[in-house]
Order: sequence, then structure tokens, then C-alpha cells
Amino acid sequence: ETGVTQTPRHLVMGMTNKKSLKCEQHLGHNAMYWYKQSAKKPLELMFVYSLEERVENNSVPSRFSPECPNSSHLFLHLHTLQPEDSALYLCASSQDGGYEQFFGPGTRLTVL
Amino acid sequence: QQQVKQSPQSLIVQKGGIPIINCAYENTAFDYFPWYQQFPGKGPALLIAIRPDVSEKKEGRFTISFNKSAKQFSLHIMDSQPGDSATYFCAASRSTGTYKYIFGTGTRLKVLA
Repeated sequence: ETGVTQTPRHLVMGMTNKKSLKCEQHLGHNAMYWYKQSAKKPLELMFVYSLEERVENNSVPSRFSPECPNSSHLFLHLHTLQPEDSALYLCASSQDGGYEQFFGPGTRLTVL
Repeated sequence: QQQVKQSPQSLIVQKGGIPIINCAYENTAFDYFPWYQQFPGKGPALLIAIRPDVSEKKEGRFTISFNKSAKQFSLHIMDSQPGDSATYFCAASRSTGTYKYIFGTGTRLKVLA
């Protein structure tokens, strides 16, 4: 595997389910990000981890819970989501202090 | 102050045309301005970026023009090709620590053969 990978690529869940999104970066970076991409809206930065410490949380509802166990892996745990949470969730990584963010292909989430 | 406004929302040009996408920002603390390209089913990928100490930057067929006083920057695609059909996002960031981008809403470009 190369670059940034995300699993699953598609996820359908009910409002009462609990699921997790996984991101893995194979680039040796030390910063990782979660973004939400909705139609006709800017990419919204949700969380930033630098050296496995959360350094940014952009007022994201508590039903989204990130976890960064090491510098290569990032998870987004989901529970009791709402239909308006349906979107493409993108993971990215960068070298802290470096300008380029490398994105994964995203997980298309549908909340019924 | 944190917004980046991008226009147009969509754009259709003939092959060989020069599509232009415009962005405007408000926060004068921003000092790094990248453009990302996204194909369907893929994540965005860095295309070209500029810092405010220059007014123009070219990489291949892609050019960024930057107007610091107007707080605007734009992407020009020379000799556009059908393979350039994608969604383009501008962004702005401060170049300190972990770069936290503020993205525009995106422009869907279609280049007709």
C-alpha cells in the first residue's frame, strides 16, 4: 500500500449504530487530519493530530470521536449519527511544518 | 474572517480554452495558498501553491495569479484538456506549525473534447 488509505470506502449505517472509519498513512508523516466533504460546501476540517496529540477540534459534535494510536493510524468512531452527517469523510496526512497534505480517497458515509 | 470565497461553482470550456477560477480571502494572516484537484472517487491532490511574496507562479499548464492588496488569487489552466475535467479547490492557510487549511467551495470544471 502506498500513500493514504481509508477503509471502508462506503458505509451505510442507521442512526443507532456504532461504526469506525480507519485511515492509514504510509508516508512517514507525523500529522493527520479528518475532513468532512459535503456537496456544495467547503471541506470542513474536523480534527488535527500532530505527533499523536490532538491539536485541533473544530467544534465537532461528540458523536464523532477520533483516535490516533500511533503516527500511521487514525480512526473516527461514529455513534448515534444524524442523517445530516451523511458525507464523504477524508483523511489526510502531512509532515508537521510541511505544507502539502496528502489525502486518502475518502469514506462515503450514508446515515439512514 | 476565516472564509475563502470561490467562483464560479461550475465551468465548461472547449478543449484548448483557458478556464479561470477565482478565490478571495479575508484573513490577512494567511500566507500560503494552495490549489487542490479532485477527480471522482479520489481524494484531493495538491496541484500548485503560492506564497504572497510573488504575484504569479507557473507549473506546466497551471498558473496562479496573486493580488495581495485585493486579497484575491486565481488559477488559470492553459491549453485545457479533457483530462483536466475535475473539481478544483482553493485554500488558504498560515504557514506556521501544522497547516490548517480553509477551503473554498470548489469549482467543477468540464473540458469538452
